[in-house]
Amino acid sequence: EAGVTQFPSHSVIEKGQTVTLRCDPISGHDNLYWYRRVMGKEIKFLLHFVKESKQDESGMPNNRFLAERTGGTYSTLKVQPAELEDSGVYFCASSQDPGDGDEAFFGQGTRLTVV
Amino acid sequence: LAKTTQPISMDSYEGQEVNITCSHNNIATNDYITWYQQFPSQGPRFIIQGYKTKVTNEVASLFIPADRKSSTLSLPRVSLSDTAVYYCLVVRMNTGFQKLVFGTGTRLLVSP
Repeated sequence: EAGVTQFPSHSVIEKGQTVTLRCDPISGHDNLYWYRRVMGKEIKFLLHFVKESKQDESGMPNNRFLAERTGGTYSTLKVQPAELEDSGVYFCASSQDPGDGDEAFFGQGTRLTVV
Repeated sequence: LAKTTQPISMDSYEGQEVNITCSHNNIATNDYITWYQQFPSQGPRFIIQGYKTKVTNEVASLFIPADRKSSTLSLPRVSLSDTAVYYCLVVRMNTGFQKLVFGTGTRLLVSP
């Protein structure tokens, strides 16, 4: 069974450009999460989808970040325009049921570097 | 959610047992403890979770004393491939979605 896959694995863009990250969750997982770790900091929650609906987007840093999950399958996270402080590793995770100990399966992450 | 505190780093040698202790003094009745492992250039991976006493799986054991203010992840006979960052997290039960709150983790280095 395929795990959570993220694309690209690395991305280097200039400040002001746009980048779109993609996440394919495990098939059948309704719950999809985005996390990120910026340099020197801890892994932080960004948002949570249940199917195509945003359940919690309290962790989204600002309106330069837009997450979508059309059709409730894969998700994209767009950063527009990118700033230097957006550099870091962006993780996607998915789970079958939210909470109550259901483990979250993480992808390998996308390393974003804004120069 | 209760804040967790764990050592920043630990060193060990192959074949040894490693115990990583996490403090969560303000843990609530409906909280449980979960541990994740993260290798370089990979996302975190679930290892084990528990509520009280002892839980064991094929990877590790988790010891939780009666007061639940701490927990210990035990890795038996570590190998070089166990070098990773280990995160202790507190997750609340029966409340639906719970975003994971990661701390700094413990960086374990296993040497030959």
